[in-house]
Amino acid sequence: NAGVTQTPKFQVLKTGQSMTLQCAQDMNHNSMYWYRQDPGMGLRLIYYSASEGTTDKGEVPNGYNVSRLNKREFSLRLESAAPSQTSVYFCASSEWGRDVNEQFFGPGTRLTVL
Amino acid sequence: AQSVTQLDSHVSVSEGTPVLLRCNYSSSYSPSLFWYVQHPNKGLQLLLKYTSAATLVKGINGFEAEFKKSETSFHLTKPSAHMSDAAEYFCVVSVLGGSYIPTFGRGTSLIVHP
Repeated sequence: NAGVTQTPKFQVLKTGQSMTLQCAQDMNHNSMYWYRQDPGMGLRLIYYSASEGTTDKGEVPNGYNVSRLNKREFSLRLESAAPSQTSVYFCASSEWGRDVNEQFFGPGTRLTVL
Repeated sequence: AQSVTQLDSHVSVSEGTPVLLRCNYSSSYSPSLFWYVQHPNKGLQLLLKYTSAATLVKGINGFEAEFKKSETSFHLTKPSAHMSDAAEYFCVVSVLGGSYIPTFGRGTSLIVHP
């Protein structure tokens, strides 16, 4: 099992450009998440999808959109990148049901917006 | 509602000495608690989790944590630090029956000196 995979690993954008970060999991989890990590801020939730077909805003959704394409895939789109979106982005998945289970994280995408 | 506070942003120890990383939580319901580790330029990995079974939880790499309801704490310990333990550590609280959103602490950076 590959677990949670993210593409790309690195990306440099110019202000105003758009891009989509891809995330896929092969553990048949129902819930998926997108976080950003900035120095001293810990992980902040951008969007999450509790189950296939649903998405909800997290703590810092402005400037982002998401798509839960199917149970495996959850993409994050930046429509018009800004320097404030320079960050490391992590995708995670978990099985949320009768028990509270841990999240599994991807390796991250390091994004720089010039 | 739930929250988590990691009491130290940085902890510095010498190799071979004990490690203590402190975490306090608040929760309206019985919580599930997790510790994750993040090595430099990597994703997060689960160290251990508490889900209402034994209050002393053993994890990977010799780490353990004790759930103390009366003190609302879930401190992470290790008897003897190794250089490879140098990393960022995150305490996380989740509540079954609550939202699908785990709450992260801001992280504690563990520095290990030779």
